[in-house]
Amino acid sequence: AQTVTQSQPEMSVQEAETVTLSCTYDTSESDYYLFWYKQPPSRQMILVIRQEAYKQQNATENRFSVNFQKAAKSFSLKISDSQLGDAAMYFCAYRSALNTASKLTFGTGTRLQVTL
Amino acid sequence: DARVTQTPRDKVTEMGQEVTMRCQPILGHNTVFWYRQTMMQGLELLAYFRNRAPLDDSGMPKDRFSAEMPDATLATLKIQPSEPRDSAVYFCASGTKGNQPQHFGDGTRLSIL
Repeated sequence: AQTVTQSQPEMSVQEAETVTLSCTYDTSESDYYLFWYKQPPSRQMILVIRQEAYKQQNATENRFSVNFQKAAKSFSLKISDSQLGDAAMYFCAYRSALNTASKLTFGTGTRLQVTL
Repeated sequence: DARVTQTPRDKVTEMGQEVTMRCQPILGHNTVFWYRQTMMQGLELLAYFRNRAPLDDSGMPKDRFSAEMPDATLATLKIQPSEPRDSAVYFCASGTKGNQPQHFGDGTRLSIL
C-alpha cells in the first residue's frame, strides 16, 4: 500500500517570503500522480498543483512550484512571494496511474501560517 | 466553473438518528468518491463509484454505512444508526480518467451528539 508522509505539522512564513513544504511517499509503482491540495478555514479542498511521475520537469503554477525527486520519492511544494491568503492546511496526495480513476492517499497535512 | 455540490453543509443530530448526505458530481464525471476527514485519522477514503457501480467500499463500516448512486447526478452516503464517533467532515469528490484531478465539494460537517 502507498503511504504519504508530511513531517512538518506546522510552518510559518513572512509575507512576501518563500516557504517550502515537504512531502515524501512510498510506493512500488512506477507510474503515478502527485498533488498538493490547499484547505483554508472554509474547509474547501482546492487543487494547487499536480505532477505526473513520468514527467521529469517540475510543475509550476504561478507562485507555486514543486521539486519532484522520483528516486528519492520526494515531492516538496515551494510557495514564492507568500500572501496572507496562502494561510491554510496543505495536503500532499498520491494517486496510482494503474487504475484510471483510483483513490487519493493523503498525508497528514502541514498548517501554514503567514505573518506580516 | 463546474462544481461538486454537497448537502447539507452542516448537520447536527442525536446519536441513533439516520443521517443522509448528498452529492451532485460535476456533469460528465464518471467517478465519485466519498472521503472522511477527522483530526485523528486525517483524510481517508470511504467508498467510490465508477459509472455508478461501487468499486471499493472497504473503508466504510458496513454495519451502519451505505453508499449509493441512484443516478449519474446523485450520490448518497447514509449512516444508520449514527454514533458520536461518526462526527467528521465528509467530502464528496468527482473525477474522470487519467491525470485529471478529483474535484471536491465543500463537505458536510456532521456532529453526532
